[in-house]
Amino acid sequence: QVQLQESGPGLVKSSETLSLTCTVSGGSISSYYWSWIRQSPGKGLEWIGYIFYRGNTNYNPSLKSRVTISVDTSKEQFSLKMSSVTAADTAIYYCARVWGSYPATGALDHWGQGTLVTVSS
Amino acid sequence: SYELTQPPSVSVSPGQTASITCSGDKLGDKYACWYQQKPGQSPVLVIYQDTKRPSGIPERFSGSNSGNTATLTISGTQALDEADYYCQAWDSSTWVFGGGTRLTVL
Repeated sequence: QVQLQESGPGLVKSSETLSLTCTVSGGSISSYYWSWIRQSPGKGLEWIGYIFYRGNTNYNPSLKSRVTISVDTSKEQFSLKMSSVTAADTAIYYCARVWGSYPATGALDHWGQGTLVTVSS
Repeated sequence: SYELTQPPSVSVSPGQTASITCSGDKLGDKYACWYQQKPGQSPVLVIYQDTKRPSGIPERFSGSNSGNTATLTISGTQALDEADYYCQAWDSSTWVFGGGTRLTVL
C-alpha cells in the first residue's frame, strides 16, 4: 500500500519561503504524477501543482509565480517550495499521488495525512 | 478561469438517497471525480472518471456526468457517510475543485 508523508516546518515567517517534502513509501515514485494540494482552515481544497517523476511540472496559474515543485527519485521524494508567503498561505498542505496515465483523465488516489503550515508576521 | 459549483450543504435521512451536484460549463465533456473528507482526515477518492469506484469504496457510492452537471449519489446513506464532498475536474491544463458540500445525515 502506497503511503505518503509530508514533512517540513510548521511555522514560516511572512515574506519567506515555505518548503515541504513528501516521502513516498510502499511503492515507487516512478511512472506516476505527484501533486500538492492545500486547504486553508475551514475552507475547501486548492490544487497547487503536480510533477511527473521525470520532472515535468504544471502549476495552478494563481500560484505559478511563487511555486516550484521538484522530484528526487533516488530518495522517493518530491518537494514544494512557495516563495513570498503571507498569512493567506496558512493552510494544511497535502501531497498526493495521481492515478492514471495523464492528469486530464486522472484522480488523486493516495493522500498524505497533511501538514499544517502557519505563516506568522 | 473554470469554476465548479456545489451546494454548500445537503441533508439526508439514514437509509435514503443523497445526491450532491457539481456544475460547470460543459462539465460533461470532461472527467469528474469526487472526494470524501471527514473532519480531521485527508480526502479519500470515492469516484473517478465520472462513474468508477476505487477498490474499497462501497457500492452505494455512484456517479454520473452529463451536460453541465456531475452528480454523486449515495444510496442507502449511512451515518458514517456524513462528511464534506468535493468534486474535481480538469480544464485548460489545470485541476479545479468545487467548493465542497457538507452532507448531513439526520
